[in-house]
Amino acid sequence: DAKTTQPNSMESNEEEPVHLPCNHSTISGTDYIHWYRQLPSQGPEYVIHGLTSNVNNRMASLAIAEDRKSSTLILHRATLRDAAVYYCILRPNYGGSQGNLIFGKGTKLSVKP
Amino acid sequence: EAGVAQSPRYKIIEKRQSVAFWCNPISGHATLYWYQQILGQGPKLLIQFQNNGVVDDSQLPKDRFSAERLKGVDSTLKIQPAKLEDSAVYLCASSLDLEGFREQFFGPGTRLTVL
Repeated sequence: DAKTTQPNSMESNEEEPVHLPCNHSTISGTDYIHWYRQLPSQGPEYVIHGLTSNVNNRMASLAIAEDRKSSTLILHRATLRDAAVYYCILRPNYGGSQGNLIFGKGTKLSVKP
Repeated sequence: EAGVAQSPRYKIIEKRQSVAFWCNPISGHATLYWYQQILGQGPKLLIQFQNNGVVDDSQLPKDRFSAERLKGVDSTLKIQPAKLEDSAVYLCASSLDLEGFREQFFGPGTRLTVL
């Protein structure tokens, strides 16, 4: 079962920042926090991942709470192309079957022009 | 770099028929995954390979589904016989290895409709 909680949907205006929240109160010390997104009619796409510290890449930023029980994916300037379902996933670093991605329903982000 | 390739992109069959899907992962990726995504849900892992060995097939309905990755490169997923509830998008993904921080690269998927 998915171990994260995300809002079902969010709306944003184009060119504004978007903060997508994720709660994971049962996270363990070896769990990585992964974010994937899925554009309409496409396979999921990796966005970013982190363990304890905040992370930045060309696509987004990931802010991780100090107790690691929640995180926020930040899109700095939303574009129409960012309209997608965003999945927050915990992934243990055990490798093998225990390290599989377990997708929930994610957050459907709509971006208005 | 070429992405994960899948074929066919679409398939329509009648119930009780058989169907096969093909996946070619990114070159050099040891780990290959097959997911099933039913409309309105997130993808669900069916089977995971490390090279040509099965790591996890606990969610694969083995009475009708089978998968192989004989030479540790490309893979096929077969359904025989298909049921109405198998209508879904079948996604293939690959990653360099099994490390928990490693990203997975997904193909475009095969949309299966069972009538």
